[in-house]
Amino acid sequence: LAKTTQPISMDSYEGQEVNITCSHNNIATNDYITWYQQFPSQGPRFIIQGYKTKVTNEVASLFIPADRKSSTLSLPRVSLSDTAVYYCLVGTLHGKTSYDKVIFGPGTSLSVIP
Amino acid sequence: NAGVTQTPKFRVLKTGQSMTLLCAQDMNHEYMYWYRQDPGMGLRLIHYSVGEGTTAKGEVPDGYNVSRLKKQNFLLGLESAAPSQTSVYFCASRLAGSMSYEQYFGPGTRLTVT
Repeated sequence: LAKTTQPISMDSYEGQEVNITCSHNNIATNDYITWYQQFPSQGPRFIIQGYKTKVTNEVASLFIPADRKSSTLSLPRVSLSDTAVYYCLVGTLHGKTSYDKVIFGPGTSLSVIP
Repeated sequence: NAGVTQTPKFRVLKTGQSMTLLCAQDMNHEYMYWYRQDPGMGLRLIHYSVGEGTTAKGEVPDGYNVSRLKKQNFLLGLESAAPSQTSVYFCASRLAGSMSYEQYFGPGTRLTVT
């Protein structure tokens, strides 16, 4: 599985757009990029997944450049409730008879300030 | 749907005692996972299962055993608890055969070993 690197922490004011970048220099051809959000005392929650270019859903956007060695999670107009830890994961989906592992790094702790 | 549930929510054990953590999901997911999360760290995969009757080791399997006798349940056992196993334990499940890396997490079990 590709190793990922992301900032340990970030601060942002309410209403601003927040971009969290993750580096994954040794990403493999079949790897997907997935982001999770975790609030204190809760399990992680899936946010978004992508393979290349741009993916958008009702919560966030994910930008992936052509070389796929990094990805950026974009949260539009954050609110206090977006204060959480955000994890970037890179891995390959495997079939039923093969391994299916993911590695959660320490993540990025986002603090939204009023 | 209840999603993923974990029993118990909290537990205090003495060193050397044993216990079983129960994870149940009602989404008919094939894949199930057990993670542990220590303060300030990401989640680490203990064991996982790609189907009923199958289990496999993750990153940190030592000191734990698992069983998947029914598709909806995944049990994590500690035969002889040690203080190093003090942690928050999360169970997750995922649908096989999909192109999504989305895992559904339970609320966690906070275990303290004294």
